[in-house]
Order: sequence, then C-alpha cells, then structure tokens
Amino acid sequence: EADIYQTPRYLVIGTGKKITLECSQTMGHDKMYWYQQDPGMELHLIHYSYGVNSTEKGDLSSESTVSRIRTEHFPLTLESARPSHTSQYLCASSEYYSGANVLTFGAGSRLTVL
Amino acid sequence: DAKTTQPNSMESNEEEPVHLPCNHSTISGTDYIHWYRQLPSQGPEYVIHGLTSNVNNRMASLAIAEDRKSSTLILHRATLRDAAVYYCILRVDNYGQNFVFGPGTRLSVLP
Repeated sequence: EADIYQTPRYLVIGTGKKITLECSQTMGHDKMYWYQQDPGMELHLIHYSYGVNSTEKGDLSSESTVSRIRTEHFPLTLESARPSHTSQYLCASSEYYSGANVLTFGAGSRLTVL
Repeated sequence: DAKTTQPNSMESNEEEPVHLPCNHSTISGTDYIHWYRQLPSQGPEYVIHGLTSNVNNRMASLAIAEDRKSSTLILHRATLRDAAVYYCILRVDNYGQNFVFGPGTRLSVLP
C-alpha cells in the first residue's frame, strides 16, 4: 500500500495551460522531493523541502514551482505548460532509518504537453 | 561528490542468485552506500543501505568490500518481478546533501 500519493497519474494537456501535480504523504516526513525523469533516462532532482515553508531548487533547473504549506502536502505547479515539460514527475519523502535517510517514492505523474 | 560506477545491464536466470556490482573508489569514510531499484512504470523503491558491515534484509543482501571501494547487491533468488533498474548511490547524511541517481544497472531476468 502506497504511503505517498501522486495525482494525476497521467495528464495530457495543451500548451499554455496551468497545471498542478499533487503529492501527499501520510508518514509525517519532514523532507520531501520532486524528481523529473524522461523515459529511459536518469532521475534529476528539481525541488526539495526540509519542512513547512521550506523549499529549495534542485540540481536540474526547472520552470516549475513548489509550495509546502502543510507537512503532508508538496504540490508542483507549472504556470504555462510547454511541450518541453513532457516528462515523468516523481515525488518522494525521506525518513531516518538505521543511521541514514531513506527515500519513499510515489508512483509518479506522467505529463504530456501537446 | 563521490561517484559510483555500475554496469549498464546484466542478465540473470530466474531462481538463480544475482550479484550486482558497484564501484566507488572515491568513497569517503562517512558515505553510506544505498541501493534503490525502479520497476517499469513505477517510482524507485528502497532496497538496502549500509556503511561498513554487510547487511541483510528481506529483499536483498549488501556485501561491502573491506576497503569500501566497492559493494555488491545480492538477490538470492531472482524472480521475474526483480527485473528493474538498480541504482547504487553514495550519500553523506547531512542536511545539505540530496540523493543523486546515476544511470544504474538494468537487470533482465530470463524465465
């Protein structure tokens, strides 16, 4: 059973639309992350948060924005979607376990912008 | 950041053990070795991690070389469901560092 939920799983939209990808976790984790992954390619960190009101940009530059108003909720927004934003977006949270932080990922949101 | 090197792909037969290697010659004393795997059309999932000693859990075993410059993820009996991309990641567990995923090893399991 998933403890981190992403919606929608699949989204096809037209250029210029505003979209929000939802991510929620029920584990009470402070640290949350958004990764972007093109098909068959590596994951790249685009945003992360260490807790409420904390957001940072990741290693890969992204035109998306994030917010963290509640511990359990970490939505990602694209104000004006473009075909170059077509990708899979993976949300994750982490917890301290056996000496180190480990990640739990959601199933992902696959975005196609026409 | 210390980097890892993994083979691009490996094949195994079902119900046989699989040894997935990872080289990390520049590992520092505080780097933990993490393994994740990503099944098709899913997000990655945690497999195992360790610092110096070998580790076992219900999914796999992690064998760490004495000099810590390499490690091996061991799947004791591969099943078709184990076909995935396996990522070996080094990470110091401090406030500022995040998980960096490389290309990983694509494991195919043959029936």
